[in-house]
Amino acid sequence: DAKTTQPNSMESNEEEPVHLPCNHSTISGTDYIHWYRQLPSQGPEYVIHGLTSNVNNRMASLAIAEDRKSSTLILHRATLRDAAVYYCILRDWDNTGKLIFGQGTTLQVKP
Amino acid sequence: ETGVTQSPTHLIKTRGQQVTLRCSSQSGHNTVSWYQQALGQGPQFIFQYYREEENGRGNFPPRFSGLQFPNYSSELNVNALELDDSALYLCASSLDKGGTDTQYFGPGTRLTVL
Repeated sequence: DAKTTQPNSMESNEEEPVHLPCNHSTISGTDYIHWYRQLPSQGPEYVIHGLTSNVNNRMASLAIAEDRKSSTLILHRATLRDAAVYYCILRDWDNTGKLIFGQGTTLQVKP
Repeated sequence: ETGVTQSPTHLIKTRGQQVTLRCSSQSGHNTVSWYQQALGQGPQFIFQYYREEENGRGNFPPRFSGLQFPNYSSELNVNALELDDSALYLCASSLDKGGTDTQYFGPGTRLTVL
């Protein structure tokens, strides 16, 4: 399984944009880039995913490098509720569709 | 629409005992996956159930077993508990097995083994 590399932790100020990077230099052509986040004392929740093109949804934006070896999750205006561990996960077709989590990035949002 | 629920919320057991954790999948979902999350780590895949059959397993010993019922709810059983089994146990349901479907997680069961 292709691996991802994320910074252990990041800090942001409330109401400012946050850019969470993820490196995946061994990504294959059929790997989708998924992001999940885990708020304190909760299970992980889906944030966004993409294959090649940049993606937007109500929660965030995903910017994917042209060579697909890296991507960035963008939270446009961080709130205190966005403080969580963010996981970047590569997913190819798999019989189980299991998620392979790394350590993730712990995002701290300061008021 | 009801989300994924898990019971109990917390559980304390002693080494050597057996434990059963329960998960109700989201309405319309026929697949349940179980994960173990040790403190400070990302979740690790234990196994998955699809339409009452095991559909894949991670690197966990046979004393971790499961069931899925006709209503697609699921149980995780752990026999001969060890101290290292202390963790947050998460279940996730999805519309179908395989592929890259979104997985919807429950809040987890915190198991402490003394």
